Amino acid sequence: QAVVTQEPSLTVSPGGTVTLTCGSNTGAVTSGHYPYWFQQKPGQAPRTLIYDTSNKHSWTPARFSGSLLGGKAALTLSGAQPEDEAEYYCSLSYSGARPVFGGGTKLTVL
Amino acid sequence: QVQLQESGPGLVKPSETLSLTCTVSGGSISPYYWSWFRQPPGKRLEWIGNIYYSGGTNYNPSLKSRVTISVDMSKNQFSLRLSSVTAADTAVYYCSRANYFDSWGQGALVTVSS
Repeated sequence: QAVVTQEPSLTVSPGGTVTLTCGSNTGAVTSGHYPYWFQQKPGQAPRTLIYDTSNKHSWTPARFSGSLLGGKAALTLSGAQPEDEAEYYCSLSYSGARPVFGGGTKLTVL
Repeated sequence: QVQLQESGPGLVKPSETLSLTCTVSGGSISPYYWSWFRQPPGKRLEWIGNIYYSGGTNYNPSLKSRVTISVDMSKNQFSLRLSSVTAADTAVYYCSRANYFDSWGQGALVTVSS
């Protein structure tokens, strides 16, 4: 049973930089896990920010970027804004098209 | 941008079948994959399964024995049925277009309770 891990919470100052990570209990995360990053605000549906490790949708602010870092998938926010305060979920795909989600990182901009 | 809207009963009794429909507007069901997710209150998202516009399906192994996803191209809709529900199936259910999950419905809260 694959388990995806994320930091439960992180805090970043306005204008600051923070990196969220997404790990797997099966070993190093690779591009073959097709990492996704989602942003979810209270009472709202998730919004996909990053797909396939580092690709952005048209609505993804330029300050968000995705990468692989130290055996994990990473989401870096450079120049945090108050509106970036949200829960961030990653997903990794195993056995083909089956995404498994992490527990989420609650990001506070303070 | 395509719009998705979930609909169905908000309350289902234990042991009965949960049924939800996702209506797609502003675009066609074809030629995409379409997915269902759920999120129990305060918990992480869970992928339930997906369906190709022509009908091929993939399901989460943990739910496979209870899940059926179907598509109705004439109505531009796809549907979820989850049988033998328990309180653990209480969640917000989301539908999404599996084109890099570029569109999501607003979610439908389904509570399992007698």
